[in-house]
Amino acid sequence: QVQLVQSGTEVKKPGASVNLSCKASGYTFTSNYMHWVRQAPGQGLEWMGMIYPRDDSTSYSQKFQGRVTMTRDTSTTTVYMELSSLRSEDTAVYYCVRDNWAFDYWGQGTLVTVSS
Amino acid sequence: DLVMTQTPLVSPVTLGQPASISCRSSQSIVHSDGNSYLSWLHQRPGQPPRLLIYMISKRFSGVPDRFSGSGAGTDFTLKISRVEAEDVGVYYCMVATQPTWTFGQGTKVEIK
Repeated sequence: QVQLVQSGTEVKKPGASVNLSCKASGYTFTSNYMHWVRQAPGQGLEWMGMIYPRDDSTSYSQKFQGRVTMTRDTSTTTVYMELSSLRSEDTAVYYCVRDNWAFDYWGQGTLVTVSS
Repeated sequence: DLVMTQTPLVSPVTLGQPASISCRSSQSIVHSDGNSYLSWLHQRPGQPPRLLIYMISKRFSGVPDRFSGSGAGTDFTLKISRVEAEDVGVYYCMVATQPTWTFGQGTKVEIK
């Protein structure tokens, strides 16, 4: 069965970077785009960007251009999302999501707290 | 930029009664391949969202048939034929119009 398992809770200071991971299993890793979506406390869902594991191509939301980098490791079927220059507004739960013409499988989410 | 507007934002419903959520896009969402990648997600508190409906009206695997999606152009609807207690939470519409993916603001369904 498809599973996306994300790394654990992070606490960061403003200005720092965070690197989250998402390990995929149960399907052919290189066949599907993987997206990152975040949700601030009590707020809605926000698309951040995507990566295509087959060729490592990426596309990022304009909002995060220059601050976000998505990568993948095909040997471990893991995707990574690094967000830099963190500020308090980046406090959120971050989800990786498989794209199969819809966001069909979601990771459990990683809480990132940005606080001085 | 594409904007997805959901109504209502809060929907008090009675168990066993129907419920309906509307999602309107600010422009056509027809993809270059001719399909419309409009989905509906359901999120319970403390859990990640889960896919209910994709491509406007297709139910995802394991989704009860009391959920249905419809619409075309810029107007889309999610209907629950008979609300059950487990249906509470927030419902989001979302659309893929490469190179961006856009969510509605969410509709909270609660039991009266």
